[in-house]
Formats: sequence, C-alpha cells, structure tokens
Amino acid sequence: DTEVTQTPKHLVMGMTNKKSLKCEQHMGHRAMYWYKQKAKKPPELMFVYSYEKLSINESVPSRFSPECPNSSLLNLHLHALQPEDSALYLCASSQAMLSSGNTIYFGEGSWLTVV
Amino acid sequence: AQSVTQLGSHVSVSEGALVLLRCNYSSSVPPYLFWYVQYPNQGLQLLLKYTTGATLVKGINGFEAEFKKSETSFHLTKPSAHMSDAAEYFCAVSTFPGTASKLTFGTGTRLQVTL
Repeated sequence: DTEVTQTPKHLVMGMTNKKSLKCEQHMGHRAMYWYKQKAKKPPELMFVYSYEKLSINESVPSRFSPECPNSSLLNLHLHALQPEDSALYLCASSQAMLSSGNTIYFGEGSWLTVV
Repeated sequence: AQSVTQLGSHVSVSEGALVLLRCNYSSSVPPYLFWYVQYPNQGLQLLLKYTTGATLVKGINGFEAEFKKSETSFHLTKPSAHMSDAAEYFCAVSTFPGTASKLTFGTGTRLQVTL
C-alpha cells in the first residue's frame, strides 16, 4: 500500500486562527516531508523529518510549526498565517536509507486558504 | 548544487501523437532523476525514475525516459498521447542530505492533449 493520507483536504482559516494539517503513512517509511505548492508552480520543500527528528528546515517562517509524534504521523501546526500562505500543502514520505534514489511518495495535499 | 530545467512550460499534442517533454539536469555527482505527474487538484504521482543501470527507464501509463549523460538530459516520451495524459509533469533531481532524500523540482510542463 503506497499511500500517504492527508487531512483535511480543504481548510479555510483566519489570520488569527490556529489550525493543524495532518499526514499519515503506513509504509514503514522513516523520512517524512512537507512541501508547499503555489498555483502553477513546482512544490517547494519546507521541512524534512528523518527518524522522527527534524532534519531540514528550509528557512520556513515560525508561523509554520512541524511535529512528528511517531514514525507514521506528521503534523503541520499553523498560527497567525498570512493570505500569501494560501497554497496546496503536500505531505510525502520515503525510506530513510542511505540512498538518494529513494522514491518519495506524495499525498493528495491539503488546500489551505487564509482569509 | 543540483538542478533541473524543463524546456517548455506548455506542450500541446494531438491525441495519438508522440509526447516529448524535455528535462535537462545539472549535477556535480551522478544524479538520480524522476518524473512526476500531477493531475488537476491532486497530489504528485511517480511516473518513473532513474537511479543506476539501464539508461532507458519504463514507467507507468506507457511513459518512458532515457538518461543521456553526454547530453545531461532525461526527456520523457510516450508514443501515443491519450486525452487522460493531460496534466502537469515535473522533472526532479534527488540530492541526499543526511538520511533522507530531497527532491528539487523543475518548473513543470503542462501537457494539453487535443482531439
């Protein structure tokens, strides 16, 4: 089962709200990722977790806070977002082996609109 | 740093015609290369990847790509386009920080298939 599940599929939030995006995989992968994709643009890497530890933070503003509670779950906590943060947020996972040829599997994404 | 360049942000072909989507890479080390497809309002799905070995790689839905080191290219082809192939296609190169893979995407090519 090569599936990454993301919830919710759509989220509308105000600039003062606190919300979370959730991601789950049951492929035994030990690397998990958050990507942000604006319309008509390629995905941009935000965070990488490897063995439940934050491995990469691509200089993402602190209003985005990732969390990896266990090897199957990845959350993205959102607070005080701006309208320009509206985008498709993609979760992904891969085997955390010493190889850069690992396939990264993507979820369907969460559409976020900040009003 | 590794990067990929996709020539042509928009390609239009007739149904039944050859599909050719171009991707050139830049890498100081042997690259791992990927093609992903994104259908409207969906996440990314892996079409195929090149890691090592055979330079002609076959993927899903009748797509294939050939790794040409001398030309630093990894073009995606399909002999006969189908209406269902209309989507956004991303070429990507994998880098390897730590114990996780990191994908860097090209800017994407939107494939339109006409009757």
